[in-house]
Amino acid sequence: GAVVSQHPSWVICKSGTSVKIECRSLDFQATTMFWYRQFPKQSLMLMATSNEGSKATYEQGVEKDKFLINHASLTLSTLTVTSAHPEDSSFYICSAPNLEKLFFGSGTQLSVL
Amino acid sequence: GQQLNQSPQSMFIQEGEDVSMNCTSSSIFNTWLWYKQDPGEGPVLLIALYKAGELTSNGRLTAQFGITRKDSFLNISASIPSDVGIYFCAGLSNSGGSNYKLTFGKGTLLTVNP
Repeated sequence: GAVVSQHPSWVICKSGTSVKIECRSLDFQATTMFWYRQFPKQSLMLMATSNEGSKATYEQGVEKDKFLINHASLTLSTLTVTSAHPEDSSFYICSAPNLEKLFFGSGTQLSVL
Repeated sequence: GQQLNQSPQSMFIQEGEDVSMNCTSSSIFNTWLWYKQDPGEGPVLLIALYKAGELTSNGRLTAQFGITRKDSFLNISASIPSDVGIYFCAGLSNSGGSNYKLTFGKGTLLTVNP
């Protein structure tokens, strides 16, 4: 199946700093990618839809200035958590569609101290 | 909005037993997907279902897409310890082009006792 690579796998940062997470489709092109957030023992919550060459679409309640998304190419989308705070600590996962299926990255565990 | 009801929430079984979990929806989906997620990892696609009534197998896994396109079940036969994880059902809607929307169930936590 298609491969989606997500980096980093985990990151620890100080409160107030920004963190960038990358999501790459390795063997296919993706004009759309999705970013999710997951809390322990819960399902995935869609945060935003990343669109290549245009603005991302954010779900209700997600701050677009807090979670900056850039889809600069057909294989790369980035999520930047700006001015991170402890409540932003979570597991972030990206995904990309290919041939009527959705493939996920391996996730990024963010811990904000 | 669209919602998926997945059950059971959790299961504790002995190695070798068969497992069944299901999802129902108030909406119709084009595609139904089943994923497994291990702790600290992203979901891995197990089975994809495209046609109403479709029955598909992947090793010890069997899944079926309901005739109404509003439900699906996943069966795991002869469970082994590495089957432990959270299983998610997901309905995929595609309104054209790359306009995908994926709705997840809340997951089934499977524990297999050796």
